[in-house]
Amino acid sequence: AQSVSQHNHHVILSEAASLELGCNYSYGGTVNLFWYVQYPGQHLQLLLKYFSGDPLVKGIKGFEAEFIKSKFSFNLRKPSVQWSDTAEYFCAVILSGGYQKVTFGTGTKLQVIP
Amino acid sequence: DVKVTQSSRYLVKRTGEKVFLECVQDMDHENMFWYRQDPGLGLRLIYFSYDVKMKEKGDIPEGYSVSREKKERFSLILESASTNQTSMYLCASSLSRRGGNQPQHFGDGTRLSIL
Repeated sequence: AQSVSQHNHHVILSEAASLELGCNYSYGGTVNLFWYVQYPGQHLQLLLKYFSGDPLVKGIKGFEAEFIKSKFSFNLRKPSVQWSDTAEYFCAVILSGGYQKVTFGTGTKLQVIP
Repeated sequence: DVKVTQSSRYLVKRTGEKVFLECVQDMDHENMFWYRQDPGLGLRLIYFSYDVKMKEKGDIPEGYSVSREKKERFSLILESASTNQTSMYLCASSLSRRGGNQPQHFGDGTRLSIL
């Protein structure tokens, strides 16, 4: 069965610091990859997604992620975080061409200190 | 914009009660999902549905059942609530059955406490 690993459970950064959150998945086939964000008190929303093509994808609010197939990774990055980026971030995987069953990682809580 | 509405934000029930959590989406999505979210465990899929009257078990279906009598509504049922079912429950929907490339749209969640 596929699984998704997010090794950083809790990350604390100062404003303007650079961010990289790790995501690794364990499936050898073709996958579609997502990052979702959950701001305090709000519902999960899509941050960005990768289906095919350019492995560097850009999402909302200055976030980007790079798909590295050889490393089974889809790390999330942002050059300079803001206090408003404080949230929980979830990586997710769907098998390409299959049904819509998603496997989520355990999430990373990001706290940005002003 | 897709709207996924969960009937309650907070719910308190007693052990042994039968509990219904309701979810409605307004965008004619084929797929609907129920997750529970627990600290350190992320989102775990309980059940999902690809069509009316159709359901599939997720990763943790024990103690739960679901109902989908209409396309827009997906109900989660705790047959006999237990304290280990205290959690945040999230409903989600996505557009179509196949393709693997449909983002999910989430409701605000129901925080359920079983006493």
